[in-house]
Amino acid sequence: AQTVTQSQPEMSVQEAETVTLSCTYDTSENNYYLFWYKQPPSRQMILVIRQEAYKQQNATENRFSVNFQKAAKSFSLKISDSQLGDTAMYFCAFTLGRDFGNEKLTFGTGTRLTIIP
Amino acid sequence: GAVVSQHPSWVICKSGTSVKIECRSLDFQATTMFWYRQFPKQSLMLMATSNEGSKATYEQGVEKDKFLINHASLTLSTLTVTSAHPEDSSFYICSGLAGGGYEQYFGPGTRLTVT
Repeated sequence: AQTVTQSQPEMSVQEAETVTLSCTYDTSENNYYLFWYKQPPSRQMILVIRQEAYKQQNATENRFSVNFQKAAKSFSLKISDSQLGDTAMYFCAFTLGRDFGNEKLTFGTGTRLTIIP
Repeated sequence: GAVVSQHPSWVICKSGTSVKIECRSLDFQATTMFWYRQFPKQSLMLMATSNEGSKATYEQGVEKDKFLINHASLTLSTLTVTSAHPEDSSFYICSGLAGGGYEQYFGPGTRLTVT
């Protein structure tokens, strides 16, 4: 079974600074997909960024980027120029995807990020 | 991105009654839908996976007779909490998966309070 670990329950950073959230996972499969989701106080799950394991290039979405280390099974999220609206719970998630007939998402326990004005 | 709606967004019911939560994919066909439960300050816990026209597959420890899931069409899944009790109070989230895709699209969630 796949597992996802987020070792930072809470983090806080000053506005405009850079913050990195860590995530490690465990799987014996070679092809899979990784995600970072944001859950603000509204509790709507919002996709921040995705990474396909077969792609070596790290995914980026504006101020958000990942450091994907496949051999180390690490998938950290970097938020640059942090903004007050980034305050939220962040979940790392893993799926084998449809190719394996198992589309379930495995979530980490989450990191509560607070951006300080 | 694709849009998933849930109704109602918040429901209060009395202990012993049943409540139904609807999950709709508005602009795509969801061949698979998922139901999650989330307690305050915790992660999402998968309750069940449902494929259109098939019986739902429940995760270990989830009572299938208590949490009835129906996925009658490619755009609608329902979760019925039967004989609800205060311990069933929680935040319920659904998501949909389009055919051939691997990314789940989440609904806004439903807050259930059982008094």
